[in-house]
Amino acid sequence: AQTVTQSQPEMSVQEAETVTLSCTYDTSENNYYLFWYKQPPSRQMILVIRQEAYKQQNATENRFSVNFQKAAKSFSLKISDSQLGDTAMYFCAFKLYSNYQLIWGAGTKLIIKP
Amino acid sequence: DADVTQTPRNRITKTGKRIMLECSQTKGHDRMYWYRQDPGLGLRLIYYSFDVKDINKGEISDGYSVSRQAQAKFSLSLESAIPNQTALYFCATSDFGRDLWETQYFGPGTRLLVL
Repeated sequence: AQTVTQSQPEMSVQEAETVTLSCTYDTSENNYYLFWYKQPPSRQMILVIRQEAYKQQNATENRFSVNFQKAAKSFSLKISDSQLGDTAMYFCAFKLYSNYQLIWGAGTKLIIKP
Repeated sequence: DADVTQTPRNRITKTGKRIMLECSQTKGHDRMYWYRQDPGLGLRLIYYSFDVKDINKGEISDGYSVSRQAQAKFSLSLESAIPNQTALYFCATSDFGRDLWETQYFGPGTRLLVL
């Protein structure tokens, strides 16, 4: 069975700093997708970034990028030039190619301080 | 995502009452999901539907039922609400046919309080 672990329950940084959220997962499969979702205080669950396991190049979306280490089964999210609007819960999720199911981590609460 | 809507956004009910949470989508997606979110537990899948006639239980379906009235509508019912069903409920959709990632897109959530 696949599992996803987010080891940092809560983090806080100053505005404009760079922050990295960690995520590790466990699977014996080779073909899968990884996702980061953001949940701001508004409760909406918003897709931030996604990565295919067979792609070695790390995905980037504006200030958000990932560090995907397949051998280590690690999928961290880096937020550059953090902004107050980045304050949110961040969830890491895993999905096999052949399966509909998303496996979720427990989340990391990120607070950006002014 | 405004393409996936949930009603109501907030609901307070009493133990033993039957309630229904509704989800509608304009994304044209075939697959729909109901999740429950509790603090510190991430999201847990209650039910999922691959099309109107294909409905399946998720990991925590006890005490819940669903109805897929149309491709765009998927409702979640609590037959007899109990306090430990107090949670945030999300509907999500995905597109199996056109999206290789099958990324899930979420509604705004319904916060339910059972007294």
